[in-house]
Amino acid sequence: SAVISQKPSRDICQRGTSLTIQCQVDSQVTMMFWYRQQPGQSLTLIATANQGSEATYESGFVIDKFPISRPNLTFSTLTVSNMSPEDSSIYLCSVEARDTLYNEQFFGPGTRLTVL
Amino acid sequence: ELKVEQNPLFLSMQEGKNYTIYCNYSTTSDRLYWYRQDPGKSLESLFVLLSNGAVKQEGRLMASLDTKARLSTLHITAAVHDLSATYFCAVDSRSNYQLIWGAGTKLIIKP
Repeated sequence: SAVISQKPSRDICQRGTSLTIQCQVDSQVTMMFWYRQQPGQSLTLIATANQGSEATYESGFVIDKFPISRPNLTFSTLTVSNMSPEDSSIYLCSVEARDTLYNEQFFGPGTRLTVL
Repeated sequence: ELKVEQNPLFLSMQEGKNYTIYCNYSTTSDRLYWYRQDPGKSLESLFVLLSNGAVKQEGRLMASLDTKARLSTLHITAAVHDLSATYFCAVDSRSNYQLIWGAGTKLIIKP
């Protein structure tokens, strides 16, 4: 398994500002993922971040709105840019543990974002 | 396109009862995962199912996989209040290591 921390755990932001969310893992991992989860909803994948390459964004998500950095094998950031109230959500990072056969994804505690 | 459907989406039950959550998926996949999410918390991995006929059990929860029917079940035996949570199934899409997620089943177990 992997132990994942996220900062901040929650924030309240004003419309038009940006917030950078950090994700730190206690071991080196190749695959990191950023998800959004709106209240009472399932998870929506924003992008996949591999170290040393550009993040791969899912349909409906663009780099200008959600720039991602992946400077090394234990760390990634997601920025939510020019925020609007529709961006209010929980943002989760996850990593894929490539041990044994399972390739499980393990999740960070999440960042609860409220945009006013 | 791989789609994952869970049912029911909401389940309220009494302690001591048995019930099953279903997870159907639309195309072939190698792996199916069950996760638990408590309110305001992150997701906890419960089971990973890798092959047809796989069955895994942990306490009062048992998960099974039928790859031919493209169906997984999460069975709850003699439910207790502590099992109240939202349960998600997710299927490996075989593409970029992505998981395709079900909508989640919110389970409330009343004392």
